Amino acid sequence: EAGVTQFPSHSVIEKGQTVTLRCDPISGHDNLYWYRRVMGKEIKFLLHFVKESKQDESGMPNNRFLAERTGGTYSTLKVQPAELEDSGVYFCASSPHNNEQFFGPGTRLTVL
Amino acid sequence: GQNIDQPTEMTATEGAIVQINCTYQTSGFNGLFWYQQHAGEAPTFLSYNVLDGLEEKGRFSSFLSRSKGYSYLLLKELQMKDSASYLCAVIFNDYKLSFGAGTTVTVRA
Repeated sequence: EAGVTQFPSHSVIEKGQTVTLRCDPISGHDNLYWYRRVMGKEIKFLLHFVKESKQDESGMPNNRFLAERTGGTYSTLKVQPAELEDSGVYFCASSPHNNEQFFGPGTRLTVL
Repeated sequence: GQNIDQPTEMTATEGAIVQINCTYQTSGFNGLFWYQQHAGEAPTFLSYNVLDGLEEKGRFSSFLSRSKGYSYLLLKELQMKDSASYLCAVIFNDYKLSFGAGTTVTVRA
């Protein structure tokens, strides 16, 4: 069974540019989560989808971040315009129910 | 708040035992996870505790005391491949995981 996949694995962009991260959850998992780890800090929650609906987006830093999950399958996280402090590793996780979460490999974002 | 505290680093010798402690604020507690993360890779699930007591899974065991807001991960018969970051994560009533900063375990020959 395929695990959670994320694309791209690495992204290097300049301040002010736009980047879109993609997450494909495990098939059949209704719950999809986005997390972020900035250097030296713990992994922090960004938002939670149940199918295509945003269940909780309390962790989104600001309105430069937009997450979507059209059709309740894959999800995208867009950062527009990117700032230096957005650099970090963005993890996606999915779960069939509200406990064990399976993590993707992460996207390492570097904003120059 | 949901402060989750765990030591930053631990070092042990191959074949030894290491115990990683984790404390958290108990309000709204719904379960506690331990994840292992090798550098540049995804966190991988190790254990899940929701009731008090010890859960044993091969060389790894996890303990939980809900009244004390305390858990530990016990790694036995350490191997070099166990060198990694170990993340304590608590799930509260809102169903999102709150992570500790992670404990980097270094296993030396």
